[in-house]
Amino acid sequence: DAGVIQSPRHEVTEMGQEVTLRCKPISGHNSLFWYRQTMMRGLELLIYFNNNVPIDDSGMPEDRFSAKMPNASFSTLKIQPSEPRDSAVYFCASSITRINEKLFFGSGTQLSVL
Amino acid sequence: GIQVEQSPPDLILQEGANSTLRCNFSDSVNNLQWFHQNPWGQLINLFYIPSGTKQNGRLSATTVATERYSLLYISSSQTTDSGVYFCAVPPNGTGGFKTIFGAGTRLFVKA
Repeated sequence: DAGVIQSPRHEVTEMGQEVTLRCKPISGHNSLFWYRQTMMRGLELLIYFNNNVPIDDSGMPEDRFSAKMPNASFSTLKIQPSEPRDSAVYFCASSITRINEKLFFGSGTQLSVL
Repeated sequence: GIQVEQSPPDLILQEGANSTLRCNFSDSVNNLQWFHQNPWGQLINLFYIPSGTKQNGRLSATTVATERYSLLYISSSQTTDSGVYFCAVPPNGTGGFKTIFGAGTRLFVKA
C-alpha cells in the first residue's frame, strides 16, 4: 500500500487566496484526521471523519476552514480566505477504528501564506 | 481536557548511548501511541501500546495505564534516531478518535 497520500507537498499563496489541501487515506481505513503543526502550538487535531461523516470539527480554528470527505478515498481541507497565520504544516492521517486506532500519517503539506 | 506531558523536552546523546523518554497523562485513556518525526518531517508510528511492554529492534515501550504514564526506551542510539518523539492519547469517551499529542521530546544523536 502507498500509505496516506497528500498533495501538494508545498503550497505558497498570497493572503486572501483560497487554498485546497488533498488527502487520500490508506485503502480500507475508515477514519480520517486532519492535523496542523506549528512551532507554537504543536500538533493540533482540526477535524476527524468516521465512515466519511465528520464526527468532531471543534478543532477547526475559524469558519474560514472547511473539510469534506465525499467518499472513502478522498478528503479535502479548504481555507478561504487564507491568512499569514494559517502558515503551518498540515497533516492527514488515517486509521481503522474498531480494530485498533493506530494512526498512519501522510507526508504533510507545507503551507506558506504571504 | 486531558493533559499530556513529555520529558525531557530536549535530549542530546552520543551515538551508542541509551535513553528513556517519558510520557505522563492526566486522565485514563483507551490507548497510547508513540511516534517519531524525522528531520524531514515525516511522522512514523513506532508503537501502539495501551498497556504492557512491546519491543521493536532497539526500541521498546512500556505503558502503565493505571499510573498514567508510558516510557520509550532507545538502546544503542544511532544518528538516524534523531528527531522528535511524540506520545499521543485519545481521552476516554472519544471512542479512540480524538488523539491528542504531547509537545514532544527533541532528540539529537551525535556521531
